[in-house]
Amino acid sequence: EAGVTQFPSHSVIEKGQTVTLRCDPISGHDNLYWYRRVMGKEIKFLLHFVKESKQDESGMPNNRFLAERTGGTYSTLKVQPAELEDSGVYFCASSQDPGGVNTGELFFGEGSRLTVL
Amino acid sequence: AQRVTQPEKLLSVFKGAPVELKCNYSYSGSPELFWYVQYSRQRLQLLLRHISRESIKGFTADLNKGETSFHLKKPFAQEEDSAMYYCALSGGRSGGTYKYIFGTGTRLKVLA
Repeated sequence: EAGVTQFPSHSVIEKGQTVTLRCDPISGHDNLYWYRRVMGKEIKFLLHFVKESKQDESGMPNNRFLAERTGGTYSTLKVQPAELEDSGVYFCASSQDPGGVNTGELFFGEGSRLTVL
Repeated sequence: AQRVTQPEKLLSVFKGAPVELKCNYSYSGSPELFWYVQYSRQRLQLLLRHISRESIKGFTADLNKGETSFHLKKPFAQEEDSAMYYCALSGGRSGGTYKYIFGTGTRLKVLA
């Protein structure tokens, strides 16, 4: 079974440019999460989709970040325009039940490393 | 404030020595606590959760509500235990948010 896949694995862009990260969750997982790890800091929650609906987007830093999950399958996270502080590793995770509270498990992708110069 | 604290960024131990990775949390309700691990060149994966009360790869963790701690322990470290360990909590069961709150992680290095 394919796991959570993320693309690209690494993106280097200049300040002011746009980047779109993509996440394909495990098939059948309604719950999809985006997280971000800035170097030396915690893995921070960004938002949670249930199917195509945004369940919780309280962690989104500002309106330069836009997440979508059209059709409830894959999700994209767009940063426009990118700033230096957006650099970090963006993780996507999926689970069959919300928060993995029954199975206790979020399935993570390998992450997309974003470097803004 | 909801927070998970892992005080050690790096923990080095010799093979065969006991290991304890510290985790303290702050949460107003009754959270579920987890340990996630990321081995070199692998993705983040669940190691164990407190509600399961199980030992995985020789690791155990006991939830201490009085001290608000969930330390990860292993009596005899192995070289393959070297990895980045993250403590996390979720408030889902208590009706709170389903989002996980992670600590900053502790890198464990097991020396030969």
